[in-house]
Amino acid sequence: SQLAEENSWALSVHEGESVTVNCSYKTSITALQWYRQKSGKGPAQLILIRSNEREKRNGRLRATLDTSSQSSSLSITATRCEDTAVYFCATDASGSWQLIFGSGTQLTVMP
Amino acid sequence: NAGVIQTPRHKVTGKGQEATLWCEPISGHSAVFWYRQTIVQGLEFLTYFRNQAPIDDSGMPKERFSAQMPNQSHSTLKIQSTQPQDSAVYLCASSLDQGASAETLYFGSGTRLTVL
Repeated sequence: SQLAEENSWALSVHEGESVTVNCSYKTSITALQWYRQKSGKGPAQLILIRSNEREKRNGRLRATLDTSSQSSSLSITATRCEDTAVYFCATDASGSWQLIFGSGTQLTVMP
Repeated sequence: NAGVIQTPRHKVTGKGQEATLWCEPISGHSAVFWYRQTIVQGLEFLTYFRNQAPIDDSGMPKERFSAQMPNQSHSTLKIQSTQPQDSAVYLCASSLDQGASAETLYFGSGTRLTVL
């Protein structure tokens, strides 16, 4: 079973709408990271949120972390077609350097 | 900065042949990681080097797979006697590895290996 897992296989929205991808994880963590992978490319980090942080923003992206429920969310506002990608959450268990990825959520933004 | 460079982008081998995949990490990064990505298994960790030294290869299949980092500018992943189940995208990533508890990984675009 995965250390971290996104809660949806796929989401689709229309351009301009907002969308949220959720992630749950199974152990105490040092930080949680959100990555995005576009077709034919490797994953690229969007946000790293540490265990002592509750919210982090990066432009149109906002990540939250709730250590009590062991969950995180990534919200994207004013979505664009170029936001179409697979979104992964990834965690490293406390004391471990290993970064373990969830299965990913395919987000499709339609014109 | 060109980012992490992986070559070749695509490789097709016949069953039983050897495949060598190359990775050039970002200059100045001291940690290099290899992952394998398939539809079924997702992103799987294979192995990790720090300052060229192998630190953890717990994700590597014990037979046929080996990884090396002969210098700070490149790492190789070698698969001997390739099998159809080895077909996947192999991703290399590097990080600064400053000793922080969480690091950003910078991935290359991957090598798509197809074993016929």
